[in-house]
Amino acid sequence: NAGVTQTPKFQVLKTGQSMTLQCAQDMNHEYMSWYRQDPGMGLRLIHYSVGAGITDQGEVPNGYNVSRSTTEDFPLRLLSAAPSQTSVYFCASSSPAGVDTEAFFGQGTRLTVV
Amino acid sequence: GIQVEQSPPDLILQEGANSTLRCNFSDSVNNLQWFHQNPWGQLINLFYIPSGTKQNGRLSATTVATERYSLLYISSSQTTDSGVYFCAVDKAAGNKLTFGGGTRVLVKP
Repeated sequence: NAGVTQTPKFQVLKTGQSMTLQCAQDMNHEYMSWYRQDPGMGLRLIHYSVGAGITDQGEVPNGYNVSRSTTEDFPLRLLSAAPSQTSVYFCASSSPAGVDTEAFFGQGTRLTVV
Repeated sequence: GIQVEQSPPDLILQEGANSTLRCNFSDSVNNLQWFHQNPWGQLINLFYIPSGTKQNGRLSATTVATERYSLLYISSSQTTDSGVYFCAVDKAAGNKLTFGGGTRVLVKP
């Protein structure tokens, strides 16, 4: 099992450009989430999904879109990149509330917007 | 939302020393995890511990859910233990984690 895989690992964008960060998991987890980590801080929730076709906003959703067409994939779209979106982005997956809801994270995507 | 506070913010240890990191949270939780973020930025799962005590090698963790805190113990620290340790909680499942600010640990040889 690869776990949670994010691509790309690094990306530089110009202000106003758009891009999609990819996230895929092979653990058959229903729940997936996107977080961002700014320097010296903990992670903050951007968007999350409880299953295919269902998404919702987290703490810092502005400037980002998501969709969930399959259980395995949860892409994050930046519509018009801004310097304030320079950050490290993490994708995570987990199972619904029950015995074990441990979340597993991808290796992160370091994004710089110039 | 839930507030998560970690202490101390910074910790400098001599190799071989023991230490305790603390995580306080403001509401009941169904998920509590400890992570180690290594110098390359990778988040490594240490413990999933919404209650009780667990041990994994030189690391152990205890969560007292009724008093809303968790402790991470590092024994016989090694330089590879350096990095940032995060506590994260969720009231329900593990898909909406709230992270603490982290404890930055530096282990000197």
